[in-house]
Amino acid sequence: GENVEQHPSTLSVQEGDSAVIKCTYSDSASNYFPWYKQELGKRPQLIIDIRSNVGEKKDQRIAVTLNKTAKHFSLHITETQPEDSAVYFCAAGSGGSNYKLTFGKGTLLTVNP
Amino acid sequence: DSGVTQTPKHLITATGQRVTLRCSPRSGDLSVYWYQQSLDQGLQFLIQYYNGEERAKGNILERFSAQQFPDLHSELNLSSLELGDSALYFCASSVRGGLGDTQYFGPGTRLTVL
Repeated sequence: GENVEQHPSTLSVQEGDSAVIKCTYSDSASNYFPWYKQELGKRPQLIIDIRSNVGEKKDQRIAVTLNKTAKHFSLHITETQPEDSAVYFCAAGSGGSNYKLTFGKGTLLTVNP
Repeated sequence: DSGVTQTPKHLITATGQRVTLRCSPRSGDLSVYWYQQSLDQGLQFLIQYYNGEERAKGNILERFSAQQFPDLHSELNLSSLELGDSALYFCASSVRGGLGDTQYFGPGTRLTVL
């Protein structure tokens, strides 16, 4: 089955710096890569996603890049703010009757003011 | 607030018991997903329903079962509970259940098995 590795497990940055979280996946059939943000004690929330026919997607301070050949994708957060502090999960998925979504173990991002 | 509701919020029970977790999707969403989140296993997809029918199965144990009712609410049944089943169980819903559909998560049910 699919295996998603996520690094680093913890990341501490100063406010205003950039943060990068990286994930690799194993199943070449995966074609959907969402990122979720989970604040302490809260539910996961989708922040951005990318499909395998796109190499990069941006939404304000957040961007995701995908390298299908190398089977890795990354989340980039620029101009970090204290409210960006949370656990971020990457996931790799495929659809149809064989729908599955496999998550990475998460990255605890702390943005220090 | 995502519009997805889950009850109960907390559940404490003993090994060997059976519990039922309930989820009501957002208005208009036809698909429901169940996830388990634990420190050991992280976030795991369990099962998906679409308009009352099972659509996809993930890492769901045979002791667990789910269903989606005609009013689209869903229940996750966990039986012969073990200590390792202690976790946060999330339900999510989406409009059509397609791969790229945004899933909206409920607040979760925290299950503690003693």
